[in-house]
Amino acid sequence: DAGVTQSPTHLIKTRGQHVTLRCSPISGHKSVSWYQQVLGQGPQFIFQYYEKEERGRGNFPDRFSARQFPNYSSELNVNALLLGDSALYLCASSLANTGRGHNYGYTFGSGTRLTVV
Amino acid sequence: GNSVTQMEGPVTLSEEAFLTINCTYTATGYPSLFWYVQYPGEGLQLLLKATKADDKGSNKGFEATYRKETTSFHLEKGSVQVSDSAVYFCALPSGNTPLVFGKGTRLSVIA
Repeated sequence: DAGVTQSPTHLIKTRGQHVTLRCSPISGHKSVSWYQQVLGQGPQFIFQYYEKEERGRGNFPDRFSARQFPNYSSELNVNALLLGDSALYLCASSLANTGRGHNYGYTFGSGTRLTVV
Repeated sequence: GNSVTQMEGPVTLSEEAFLTINCTYTATGYPSLFWYVQYPGEGLQLLLKATKADDKGSNKGFEATYRKETTSFHLEKGSVQVSDSAVYFCALPSGNTPLVFGKGTRLSVIA
């Protein structure tokens, strides 16, 4: 079975532009969560979606948004990019929602490396 | 919310040396605790977990014991290999946040 798939793997954007990152969870997984990992730091939680509804949101500005589709894939959108948005964006999937998710585990993708210039 | 603090790196060890990476937590109740590993250029992989106090998680020769008395979940391995070179993250859930991570500890093992 395929693992968590993220696309693109790398991209470069200019300040002020917007970007869309995509994530396909493991088949059968209904929960997707997004994390931002700045170089040298631990991942920071951005969003979690379960059954196409937002179930959690981290401390990120409204420039960040996400959605989950009927097939459980997900997009993370970032508007008005800033240099500080340069990071590795990680997606994780799980069978269940926060709390019960730990009974099943979270599987991470390899991430999308975003560089804002 | 819940949080973890892990030792600063980098940690450099010779092959077959003993490894300890410290992690302490602050939490309401007794949440599950995790160690994740990130190899160069890759995403995160779950290394081990413990779901209740006094549990010992283990995998690939790594171990960590959930100690509520000292609020700790230190990662240990008796004999490290070059292939263990990676960044290690301690993590736990907090409210609606699936995982709160520490800042990570970079381990370099030299032959």
